[in-house]
Amino acid sequence: RKEVEQDPGPFNVPEGATVAFNCTYSNSASQSFFWYRQDCRKEPKLLMSVYSSGNEDGRFTAQLNRASQYISLLIRDSKLSDSATYLCVVNPGTASKLTFGTGTRLQVML
Amino acid sequence: NAGVTQTPKFQVLKTGQSMTLQCAQDMNHEYMSWYRQDPGMGLRLIHYSVGAGITDQGEVPNGYNVSRSTTEDFPLRLLSAAPSQTSVYFCATVGLGNTIYFGEGSWLTVV
Repeated sequence: RKEVEQDPGPFNVPEGATVAFNCTYSNSASQSFFWYRQDCRKEPKLLMSVYSSGNEDGRFTAQLNRASQYISLLIRDSKLSDSATYLCVVNPGTASKLTFGTGTRLQVML
Repeated sequence: NAGVTQTPKFQVLKTGQSMTLQCAQDMNHEYMSWYRQDPGMGLRLIHYSVGAGITDQGEVPNGYNVSRSTTEDFPLRLLSAAPSQTSVYFCATVGLGNTIYFGEGSWLTVV
């Protein structure tokens, strides 16, 4: 089993739709979690950290479920500009052990 | 506001050639690293450094060398390029809260 798994997609959704991605991780000792966004031929950029109690940033909501070892990202009212690949990142405690998912591609359509 | 700067952005090499990817940061971060990103495989750690004078191997170090003589710079050397090293390379630092800052990437093709 991969350490971090994501559905590669693509998720093709119309503008205004709500879409959710999940990411499962295998290391139960993992301490911090992040969602990164990567545009085509660009570097990944931090979208949001994921906190134990869940957190929201505008149209984006991140959740952590430690018991089932997954994190989720919910995007409400999708915009064309949300089209990108979303990477799940898990940190078991040291930077050198950061583990990246392969990414989920989102395509928002008119 | 440079952050992490890496060069070159694009490079084509012939098999057996050597080259150095440059990485510089102006955020005074101790931790620096090099990743490669291949389709369907995610980002994989090549080498990392926790401070000047200290380097260590990551998941896929073979064929690559690094050095860290200053806090700012962390070059990645390809010793004898092979087609399997065709990839996108990202230099990254880690700051407060374990936030990762990536360079813009270097697209390398080995023919």
